[in-house]
Amino acid sequence: EAGVAQSPRYKIIEKRQSVAFWCNPISGHATLYWYQQILGQGPKLLIQFQNNGVVDDSQLPKDRFSAERLKGVDSTLKIQPAKLEDSAVYLCASTISPVRNTEAFFGQGTRLTVV
Amino acid sequence: KQEVTQIPAALSVPEGENLVLNCSFTDSAIYNLQWFRQDPGKGLTSLLLIQSSQREQTSGRLNASLDKSSGRSTLYIAASQPGDSATYLCAVGTGNQFYFGTGTSLTVIP
Repeated sequence: EAGVAQSPRYKIIEKRQSVAFWCNPISGHATLYWYQQILGQGPKLLIQFQNNGVVDDSQLPKDRFSAERLKGVDSTLKIQPAKLEDSAVYLCASTISPVRNTEAFFGQGTRLTVV
Repeated sequence: KQEVTQIPAALSVPEGENLVLNCSFTDSAIYNLQWFRQDPGKGLTSLLLIQSSQREQTSGRLNASLDKSSGRSTLYIAASQPGDSATYLCAVGTGNQFYFGTGTSLTVIP
């Protein structure tokens, strides 16, 4: 089966610019996650969707980050305006259903560098 | 809130050695625990998934154990190879999300 697809793989932007990332989960996976992984740290959840609804966005910096999953399939994560501390790898993951008894599959990630 | 710790942070072993990576978590009310491998600049590749009702899972040279009551999991790698060099992350499924440790960076020396 096809895995989780993410694009772009790499992005370099200047601070205060905007950027968007795209994710297409595994077909049939209802739950989609966006994680942020800063160098040397483990991934941290930004937002979780169940179909096209938000389950948890408590750790999303809503003053600059936004995400949507309009048709319950692919998703976009946007940062506007970017700050230097946003430099990280942004990982998208999907599961058939929420966490209970399900395996998580991750994409290759988007490495963002803010200069 | 679930806290996940991985020890050691880095490990270097000669090829052929057996090794153990450790993962501990603070809240034993988990659904599952998953071990991942991450190569530099890449995403996460799932290695093993252990459900909360299971004690261990095996895949090839990998064996993962889970002791939920003590909040611990170990990943055992037999007969290590240079291709095993990567960062290994454990993720604990609790509530509605996965909580990650900071990983163990493994280097297998030929």
